[in-house]
Amino acid sequence: QSALTQPASVSGSPGQSITISCTGTSSDVGSYNLVSWYQQHPGKAPKLMIYEVSKRPSGVSNRFSGSKSGNTASLTISGLQAEDEADYYCCSYAGSSTFDVVFGGGTKLTVL
Amino acid sequence: QVQLVQSGAEVKKPGASVKVSCKASGYTFTSYDINWVRQATGQGLEWMGWMNPNSGNTGYAQKFQGRVTMTRNTSISTAYMELSSLRSEDTAVYYCARDGGSYYNYWGQGTLVTVSS
Repeated sequence: QSALTQPASVSGSPGQSITISCTGTSSDVGSYNLVSWYQQHPGKAPKLMIYEVSKRPSGVSNRFSGSKSGNTASLTISGLQAEDEADYYCCSYAGSSTFDVVFGGGTKLTVL
Repeated sequence: QVQLVQSGAEVKKPGASVKVSCKASGYTFTSYDINWVRQATGQGLEWMGWMNPNSGNTGYAQKFQGRVTMTRNTSISTAYMELSSLRSEDTAVYYCARDGGSYYNYWGQGTLVTVSS
């Protein structure tokens, strides 16, 4: 399984909106509504932000939203805040006999 | 509250094996799969595999098949990940994570494994 493709970096100013894309294939992102997104601050464990493409866990700000079209999933953060600066990873179920999971390469979000 | 507490940092020589533990609390251990994910310094997340604590069934990423073994001790609500034939490229932080249904809503704090001669 190859990693999902994410942009290496994105940036935005406070209050703006940004979108991070996550491109997979018809064997993973395109076949299952099992895309999740994780936020990771330096030295910390990842934190679940979105699951099953567009669902938000309890406690996650509604500024975070997810969507999917074909083989590409997207994470949108609106009303950027300084604390949103972090690495973001997408993840998808990829099927197979061993119920594989694949992550994206990660995107560094900089809040200018 | 749900917690996953991992064992401490390890330093191993090339060719050796390492066994990392992940102690679960705050929920019924056998009700959720445990997955293992690793992250080399400055790199992205890499999925290693899963284990069902109830049945002991496992599934490993192709890259690690033959080198990784995931086990559990249900009496102490602890999952284990053992990686053998270590090489320098295995130097990474290893995380356990609780599978909520192809997503990970709880993570351990991570265990740094350093492989160095």
